[in-house]
Amino acid sequence: DAKTTQPTSMDCAEGRAANLPCNHSTISGNEYVYWYRQIHSQGPQYIIHGLKNNETNEMASLIITEDRKSSTLILPHATLRDTAVYYCIVRLGYGNKLVFGAGTILRVKS
Amino acid sequence: GAVVSQHPSRVICKSGTSVKIECRSLDFQATTMFWYRQFPKQSLMLMATSNEGSKATYEQGVEKDKFLINHASLTLSTLTVTSAHPEDSSFYICSATEGPIAGNTIYFGEGSWLTVV
Repeated sequence: DAKTTQPTSMDCAEGRAANLPCNHSTISGNEYVYWYRQIHSQGPQYIIHGLKNNETNEMASLIITEDRKSSTLILPHATLRDTAVYYCIVRLGYGNKLVFGAGTILRVKS
Repeated sequence: GAVVSQHPSRVICKSGTSVKIECRSLDFQATTMFWYRQFPKQSLMLMATSNEGSKATYEQGVEKDKFLINHASLTLSTLTVTSAHPEDSSFYICSATEGPIAGNTIYFGEGSWLTVV
């Protein structure tokens, strides 16, 4: 599985954009980048995923570099409820499973 | 998004007994389900992958005779912790997906807290 590297923690002011980086330099051509978040004592929540192109949904935007070696998750207007652990995961092409790393603790502060 | 439900959300059992946790996909057919466990302040650890109608594939180091996984239908998988001990106390989380294509989203249940006393 391609591994990911994320900062341990980040702070963001409420109402500002939160930009969470992820490095996945060993990603292969058929592997997708997935983002999930986990709020304390709950199951992970799906946020977004992408292969090559940038993606946007109602929760966030995913920006993938042209060489696919890194990506950034953008929460456009962070709220206190966005405080969570954010996981960037490269999904094994045909193995179908998600292997979680340590993630980034995002703290949104008022 | 799709809904995956776990039951019970919290369970306390006595040491030496067995406990079953259910995972249901409520609005889609889950050909593949996954079971994870998570200790406090740690990340999720994949325990096993189960495909409907097949035996589960366990990750290295996970005792298949202790953690029995059944995936008998396209909407239900169960995890049975047999002869539970206090060290089995943990947060158990299931996830499910419609199929093995890498672009298919995997959805997670709410998790189940197991406390063995």
